[in-house]
Amino acid sequence: GESVGLHLPTLSVQEGDNSIINCAYSNSASDYFIWYKQESGKGPQFIIDIRSNMDKRQGQRVTVLLNKTVKHLSLQIAATQPGDSAVYFCAENIPLRGQGAQKLVFGQGTRLTINP
Amino acid sequence: NAGVTQTPKFQVLKTGQSMTLQCAQDMNHEYMSWYRQDPGMGLRLIHYSVGAGITDQGEVPNGYNVSRSTTEDFPLRLLSAAPSQTSVYFCASSYAPAYEQYFGPGTRLTVT
Repeated sequence: GESVGLHLPTLSVQEGDNSIINCAYSNSASDYFIWYKQESGKGPQFIIDIRSNMDKRQGQRVTVLLNKTVKHLSLQIAATQPGDSAVYFCAENIPLRGQGAQKLVFGQGTRLTINP
Repeated sequence: NAGVTQTPKFQVLKTGQSMTLQCAQDMNHEYMSWYRQDPGMGLRLIHYSVGAGITDQGEVPNGYNVSRSTTEDFPLRLLSAAPSQTSVYFCASSYAPAYEQYFGPGTRLTVT
């Protein structure tokens, strides 16, 4: 079945270091991938996205890498700050044939903790 | 722009009661959806809508109904609440499928 999973449920990094959060997906029809950040008690917040015709996309301090060969997605956060502490979810967008809509399948999430 | 708003923020129901979770967006987005989030898990799609008058089921639709009479509003109805429906519910909207989804702040529902 479809699943989007994460290799590590928790990740601790030192403030100022780079963080890498990994994600595996299983549906080869997925055409769009998103990383969300969720702080305690809040809804998911969009960080960055990438379409399946790309393998890398950069934002402000964040980079998403997509490897379609091994169905792997990663989020890199440069110079991690205390405000980066949150749960990070990857999500894959699966087109629904004949319905003109999407199904967004979320991974379980990785909790990123920043050590001072 | 208020974005996506949800009411109420918290709700406690007894088993068998019904209620409606409200969701509204002011971004003129066609696509809206409802998710539930259980502890230690990602979000799971309940129902979605690609425009006013059009709704369809997601991964976990049982026990929930939706309607979309306007572009702005997408209420989620629990027909007969069960303890298994205890969860945090998020509404989201986007310009179109495969575009960034904006999430509301969530409704924390407890069914006793």
